[in-house]
Amino acid sequence: GIQVEQSPPDLILQEGANSTLRCNFSDSVNNLQWFHQNPWGQLINLFYIPSGTKQNGRLSATTVATERYSLLYISSSQTTDSGVYFCAVDNYGQNFVFGPGTRLSVLP
Amino acid sequence: DSGVTQTPKHLITATGQRVTLRCSPRSGDLSVYWYQQSLDQGLQFLIQYYNGEERAKGNILERFSAQQFPDLHSELNLSSLELGDSALYFCASSVSNNEQFFGPGTRLTVL
Repeated sequence: GIQVEQSPPDLILQEGANSTLRCNFSDSVNNLQWFHQNPWGQLINLFYIPSGTKQNGRLSATTVATERYSLLYISSSQTTDSGVYFCAVDNYGQNFVFGPGTRLSVLP
Repeated sequence: DSGVTQTPKHLITATGQRVTLRCSPRSGDLSVYWYQQSLDQGLQFLIQYYNGEERAKGNILERFSAQQFPDLHSELNLSSLELGDSALYFCASSVSNNEQFFGPGTRLTVL
């Protein structure tokens, strides 16, 4: 089945810093989503982005489907950005596969 | 708020018991998915239903079963519970096989 890798596994930032999270996948996909799991366990949709670029406030994402990766950019990070960021992909009707996540800690 | 509801939020039970988790999808969504998040296995897909029919199956144990009812709500039944079944169980919904929206989860603790 499709493999999903995320890097870095852990990231510690000072408030106000910028960061880039990466998701690599091993096969072509028709669905890619980024989620933020907050400290209370909620999974929050960030982007539905099987290809192209999207922006939402301080967050933006880019997926280059032909090269099998996606990037999530967080600018001017805030303490509320802390949590785990997951990338998940769907390989044309196969199981929706989650990556292992990137744990982000933003320090005040 | 994603529009997906799950009950109960927390469940504590003993080994060998059976529990039922409930999920109501977003209005208009025909697909319901179940996922398990445990510390050692991460987030894993269990099963998908589309308009009442099973559409895809993942790493779901034989002790677990699910169904989707005519009103599109879904239930996940877990039986002969073991300590290792302790996890966060998520339900998600989508219109079809596209963007999924996740509920708040049910935290199951098996003692």
